[in-house]
Amino acid sequence: QKEVEQDPGPLSVPEGAIVSLNCTYSNSAFQYFMWYRQYSRKGPELLMYTYSSGNKEDGRFTAQVDKSSKYISLFIRDSQPSDSATYLCAMSARRKLIFGTGTRLQVFP
Amino acid sequence: DVKVTQSSRYLVKRTGEKVFLECVQDMDHENMFWYRQDPGLGLRLIYFSYDVKMKEKGDIPEGYSVSREKKERFSLILESASTNQTSMYLCASSLVNSGAYEQYFGPGTRLTVT
Repeated sequence: QKEVEQDPGPLSVPEGAIVSLNCTYSNSAFQYFMWYRQYSRKGPELLMYTYSSGNKEDGRFTAQVDKSSKYISLFIRDSQPSDSATYLCAMSARRKLIFGTGTRLQVFP
Repeated sequence: DVKVTQSSRYLVKRTGEKVFLECVQDMDHENMFWYRQDPGLGLRLIYFSYDVKMKEKGDIPEGYSVSREKKERFSLILESASTNQTSMYLCASSLVNSGAYEQYFGPGTRLTVT
């Protein structure tokens, strides 16, 4: 079993939709939970991070962590075509990050 | 803005060649990382370094080595390239006191080994 599981998609939604992206994990030692966004032919960039359980909001993006269920989510409200990218969840216990495989999102006008 | 640069965007090499991938960061970050990214497998850590001349193996170090002679530069070496090393290679850096999570990535090098 992989330490971090993420549905690869692709996920195709109309502009304005609410998008839900999810990851599950098995290692209860993870403390930092991140979402990275990767546009085509670019390196990943950090979108949001959360320490331990709870919610964090940044504009149209909300990150949720449920440590009891070992489940994290990223919600995108009012999705835009510019949100079309691959979204990678990542988790950390110490110096290393463990990444999910990424979910490809396509937002069409 | 943090900038992480990689020496080549695209590289084509022959089986058995020695390959050097260079990465430079300009923000005085202590930690540097090399990943490879493959469809369906995500990003996998090859090696990382938390200080000059220090290195630690990641999850898939076989067939690779690294060098960090200066703080800003971290090189990935394929001693004898093989076709199963065809991949996208990504370099990243982070500050030591930010943990590992706030990593800044370069644009990647797409390596093809024929």
